[in-house]
Amino acid sequence: DAGVIQSPRHEVTEMGQEVTLRCKPISGHDYLFWYRQTMMRGLELLIYFNNNVPIDDSGMPEDRFSAKMPNASFSTLKIQPSEPRDSAVYFCASSLVGENTEAFFGQGTRLTVV
Amino acid sequence: AQRVTQPEKLLSVFKGAPVELKCNYSYSGSPELFWYVQYSRQRLQLLLRHISRESIKGFTADLNKGETSFHLKKPFAQEEDSAMYYCALFKAAGNKLTFGGGTRVLVKP
Repeated sequence: DAGVIQSPRHEVTEMGQEVTLRCKPISGHDYLFWYRQTMMRGLELLIYFNNNVPIDDSGMPEDRFSAKMPNASFSTLKIQPSEPRDSAVYFCASSLVGENTEAFFGQGTRLTVV
Repeated sequence: AQRVTQPEKLLSVFKGAPVELKCNYSYSGSPELFWYVQYSRQRLQLLLRHISRESIKGFTADLNKGETSFHLKKPFAQEEDSAMYYCALFKAAGNKLTFGGGTRVLVKP
């Protein structure tokens, strides 16, 4: 398995545009997490899914953010409309259910909103 | 609510010196704690977990429930230890993994 795959690796967009980030988790993993990394706040959990169902989206900053997981092998994080303060690195991670299981991270998408 | 606090944003030490990264948590249940590391241009990856009581790359971390801490230590830092370190708390009910703000370690030659 190639691990968690995220696309694109880099995204530069203008303020007001819609941005879609994509994630393919490791096959067989039950959980998928979306995190945002910034210098000021570190790694913030935005939302996570269990068996494609959103479990906790309390970390999603605003209604401009939405996430979906239409099937076990694909998830998207959408920002519409984007703002400069959304600039960050967005990580996707997946894991198996159970105690002390390791979360496996993708390489992240660096988003710049100008 | 579960929360993880890493009070130091940056730790700068010389090669061969000891390094300690602080992590405090708040959680009402029985905590499961981890340290993750992100080297330059690499993915975030697991370094160690408290349940294993293991030493990885010379690092150890002891869970202190009385002080609600899980500090990461290494007696002799190496230049290759320069990285971003994140303390994480796992909540078994719901499989929720929460990270602290991260500490950047810089080991100078």
